[in-house]
Amino acid sequence: DTAVSQTPKYLVTQMGNDKSIKCEQNLGHDTMYWYKQDSKKFLKIMFSYNNKELIINETVPNRFSPKSPDKAHLNLHINSLELGDSAVYFCASSPLTGARAAFFGQGTRLTVV
Amino acid sequence: QKEVEQDPGPLSVPEGAIVSLNCTYSNSAFQYFMWYRQYSRKGPELLMYTYSSGNKEDGRFTAQVDKSSKYISLFIRDSQPSDSATYLCAMNFGNEKLTFGTGTRLTIIP
Repeated sequence: DTAVSQTPKYLVTQMGNDKSIKCEQNLGHDTMYWYKQDSKKFLKIMFSYNNKELIINETVPNRFSPKSPDKAHLNLHINSLELGDSAVYFCASSPLTGARAAFFGQGTRLTVV
Repeated sequence: QKEVEQDPGPLSVPEGAIVSLNCTYSNSAFQYFMWYRQYSRKGPELLMYTYSSGNKEDGRFTAQVDKSSKYISLFIRDSQPSDSATYLCAMNFGNEKLTFGTGTRLTIIP
């Protein structure tokens, strides 16, 4: 009965590879997000989608491309992975306009070697 | 200067004590204020959100907002070892972007 689920939970890959992280929410929320948490635990928004439409793109390199096939799914594809992309990536969803009650997934720990 | 400042700790207190966690912010346009708890290797979990200045209580947790001082607090009464986690404050302008503090790592000592 996981509300916001991400796969995979761990991802280890080499520099230059392309990888995807999938996210699904079963809460019926209209808004979904991707956040990045760096090694110092700082959480920063990357993207926000409302009902499949991109509404926030927070100056993320264009190697990162989100895709929302429907309002319950928001996937993140990363091209040409770099060492600095190593972080924990969190998907979240919110029932309210304004992200005040965002529910987060368990995170995907990405390690680029 | 970061938009949201939060002492990273670590903060250690004995079980049963009252814990006070704080954040300051620089942008007076922030409207909504949230507290999240994050256990190790887990996603952040929403504890409370508030809009206006004043106090909001939920069980052992009280969130306090002082917009005139740009200062928010979370108080935890009768702290338990299960409260040991990183606590993140977050705020937004009423749009879809949450701006987080860096988090305070809290340990409750039995």
